[in-house]
Amino acid sequence: GESVGLHLPTLSVQEGDNSIINCAYSNSASDYFIWYKQESGKGPQFIIDIRSNMDKRQGQRVTVLLNKTVKHLSLQIAATQPGDSAVYFCAERNTGNQFYFGTGTSLTVIP
Amino acid sequence: ETGVTQTPRHLVMGMTNKKSLKCEQHLGHNAMYWYKQSAKKPLELMFVYNFKEQTENNSVPSRFSPECPNSSHLFLHLHTLQPEDSALYLCASSHLAGSSYEQYFGPGTRLTVT
Repeated sequence: GESVGLHLPTLSVQEGDNSIINCAYSNSASDYFIWYKQESGKGPQFIIDIRSNMDKRQGQRVTVLLNKTVKHLSLQIAATQPGDSAVYFCAERNTGNQFYFGTGTSLTVIP
Repeated sequence: ETGVTQTPRHLVMGMTNKKSLKCEQHLGHNAMYWYKQSAKKPLELMFVYNFKEQTENNSVPSRFSPECPNSSHLFLHLHTLQPEDSALYLCASSHLAGSSYEQYFGPGTRLTVT
């Protein structure tokens, strides 16, 4: 089976600092990756995605980096704000349209 | 609002009850999913429907029975559940082709089995 893991279960950052959340995946055939944010009492919310033929993609305040050599994915959040406090999940998609999620990293932003 | 709705939001049921969870999407997607989310565990993919056809059943016990009557509606029928089935059940939908396979999630149904 596939496994998606996160390096750290919790992360605390000062407001205004940059945050980096890491993720490791095991299936080199996965062709698509997503980062989700989940706030308490809500379902996961899409942040940014990246296809396997790319190594970097930028959104508003967020950047996803993909290193296929070491099967590593990271999410960078610039100028972290209190509203960014949530659990962040990475997910990989295989060619059968099956998605596998990591355990999640809980991000806490300290005002 | 993500365009995916789930009812009920909360459900408490005994082990001998039969209940159903409902999911509806208004996004024109052609794939729908059921996930189970337990504390401190990754989201577990339970069922996948592509174009109303079930394509995945990740060794889910038969006490969970999915139904997808059309591309906008998805049900999860529950019977004779166990206390360890208590969890948040999330429905999601997505396109099957195009530039993004982003899954849109509903708010989930918090299920407690007593």
